[in-house]
Amino acid sequence: SQKIEQNSEALNIQEGKTATLTCNYTNYSPAYLQWYRQDPGRGPVFLLLIRENEKEKRKERLKVTFDTTLKQSLFHITASQPADSATYLCALPMEYGNKLVFGAGTILRVKS
Amino acid sequence: ETGVTQTPRHLVMGMTNKKSLKCEQHLGHNAMYWYKQSAKKPLELMFVYSLEERVENNSVPSRFSPECPNSSHLFLHLHTLQPEDSALYLCASSQDHRVGQPQHFGDGTRLSIL
Repeated sequence: SQKIEQNSEALNIQEGKTATLTCNYTNYSPAYLQWYRQDPGRGPVFLLLIRENEKEKRKERLKVTFDTTLKQSLFHITASQPADSATYLCALPMEYGNKLVFGAGTILRVKS
Repeated sequence: ETGVTQTPRHLVMGMTNKKSLKCEQHLGHNAMYWYKQSAKKPLELMFVYSLEERVENNSVPSRFSPECPNSSHLFLHLHTLQPEDSALYLCASSQDHRVGQPQHFGDGTRLSIL
């Protein structure tokens, strides 16, 4: 079955730097991949979707890449701010059926 | 985001109690979902409903019983739960249940089983 690997250790960076989070998957290549943000005590919030034929997707300070050869997606936040501190989840569809599988998430802490 | 509302936000119950979690979405979506989120574990999909019909039941124990009376409301009826069922229960909705649609989540019900 598909496995999703996100950095289990928290990522600590300084304000103003670029944060880069990694999402690796192990088996089949999905048709798309989604990224969500989750704050403590809140539900996940959808950020971006990137399709397999898209190398890169941008939204304001966010950028997502999708490399089907490496079986990896990278999520970048440029000019990071303390308000960007949260857990970031990647999600992709299972090979069969209408299910979205989520990674465990990576905690990002941006220090001022 | 207030598009998906879950009540109650917190629930403490004994193993012999019966309670229900409620979810309401104001987004005009046709699909609704229940997820379980335990500490430091990925979200686990429990149930999927599309236009009030259950389209996915992810091997969830029968002590969890979903109900979808219409496309805007989703319930999760709980009875005879176990301590390992303590978790954050999240409801989500999407335009339809085909994968690819972004999901909109509520803020969850934090459930504690004594």
